Amino acid sequence: DQQVKQNSPSLSVQEGRISILNCDYTNSMFDYFLWYKKYPAEGPTFLISISSIKDKNEDGRFTVFLNKSAKHLSLHIVPSQPGDSAVYFCAASTVGNEKLTFGTGTRLTIIP
Amino acid sequence: SQTIHQWPATLVQPVGSPLSLECTVEGTSNPNLYWYRQAAGRGLQLLFYSVGIGQISSEVPQNLSASRPQDRQFILSSKKLLLSDSGFYLCAWTAGGRETQYFGPGTRLLVL
Repeated sequence: DQQVKQNSPSLSVQEGRISILNCDYTNSMFDYFLWYKKYPAEGPTFLISISSIKDKNEDGRFTVFLNKSAKHLSLHIVPSQPGDSAVYFCAASTVGNEKLTFGTGTRLTIIP
Repeated sequence: SQTIHQWPATLVQPVGSPLSLECTVEGTSNPNLYWYRQAAGRGLQLLFYSVGIGQISSEVPQNLSASRPQDRQFILSSKKLLLSDSGFYLCAWTAGGRETQYFGPGTRLLVL
């Protein structure tokens, strides 16, 4: 049972344009969401997170949006840069439980 | 600042051989520690987590085991490797009560 889903395995975006990565979840108890970026043969690095009490969180070029009613979150990267090419994982957790449930990842390719 | 180390970085082992992967964290006390596996083309699968010395919870039944002999040391082991154990193994940590996990550089294991 995949509780966190990233339905697009890959995405290609022109440099300078907006990249939008999507994530859906099924467990309504999830209340904290994170995005990680992963380069090949390296560990994931934390990008940005959002609590369920908010619907938007920004950090520089990265913005995460949360739609609780739709059980959907998205990561916007503006403007996209070549160094953003990586695999992006969304993850979720429930209050009091530090275990994360990860999606299967989306490979983002930024085209120069 | 906190740092997480994993070694070895790469390992090639024959089927049936034993395994020992080590993870250590610096700059923090009493972290929660996690072992994940990323198989080729798949997401991150939580294998084990630990909230303290000698306390191990297993998420997936398999021929792997984990131990935490010291506060900041987490070891992943196997007595006899299978071909299906090939993958990228990641160690992660959190400060108690925080959901954001920070990952080590990973170990690429190839079982032949």
